[in-house]
Amino acid sequence: KAGVTQTPRYLIKTRGQQVTLSCSPISGHRSVSWYQQTPGQGLQFLFEYFSETQRNKGNFPGRFSGRQFSNSRSEMNVSTLELGDSALYLCASSPGRDIQAYNSPLHFGNGTRLTVT
Amino acid sequence: AQSVSQHNHHVILSEAASLELGCNYSYGGTVNLFWYVQYPGQHLQLLLKYFSGDPLVKGIKGFEAEFIKSKFSFNLRKPSVQWSDTAEYFCAELPGGYQKVTFGTGTKLQVIP
Repeated sequence: KAGVTQTPRYLIKTRGQQVTLSCSPISGHRSVSWYQQTPGQGLQFLFEYFSETQRNKGNFPGRFSGRQFSNSRSEMNVSTLELGDSALYLCASSPGRDIQAYNSPLHFGNGTRLTVT
Repeated sequence: AQSVSQHNHHVILSEAASLELGCNYSYGGTVNLFWYVQYPGQHLQLLLKYFSGDPLVKGIKGFEAEFIKSKFSFNLRKPSVQWSDTAEYFCAELPGGYQKVTFGTGTKLQVIP
């Protein structure tokens, strides 16, 4: 099985612009979670989707949004980019309704590294 | 709010030294706990997990962790580290019935040959 695929791998944007990141989960996985990883802050939870519904949202401003499609692929969007949005954005998928079920841990992609100048 | 604390941000050890990385979680109810590892240039991967039962959990590559409920701790241990253990280690919690995994800030381990 192919792993979690995130595109693009690298992005450079300017303050004020917007960006869309894409995540294709492992085939058959229905839950997708997004995290922002920065040095010193670790992984900060953004949101989690299951069957096109957002089930959980982290403490990020409304500029951060996401969605999930019927094929479980997910996108996240950041509008009006700020310098502080520079980070590695990670996507993780899980098979079923209960994420991190005993036999199915989160599977992470390699991330999209966003640099805002 | 859920929170996970990892008190060691950067640890440097010589090969064959013993390792213990601290992790404290916050959720007071039924909780699942994990350690993930991120090797240089690679994606995060699961090292070990605790769901219930024996509080001493064994993972891959000789790692183990002990769940101590009274201390809200889930420390990671390895008796003898190798250079290949150089990586960043993340502790994480998942409260029972929730769908949000909270990670700690990570500990960078550098093993010197």
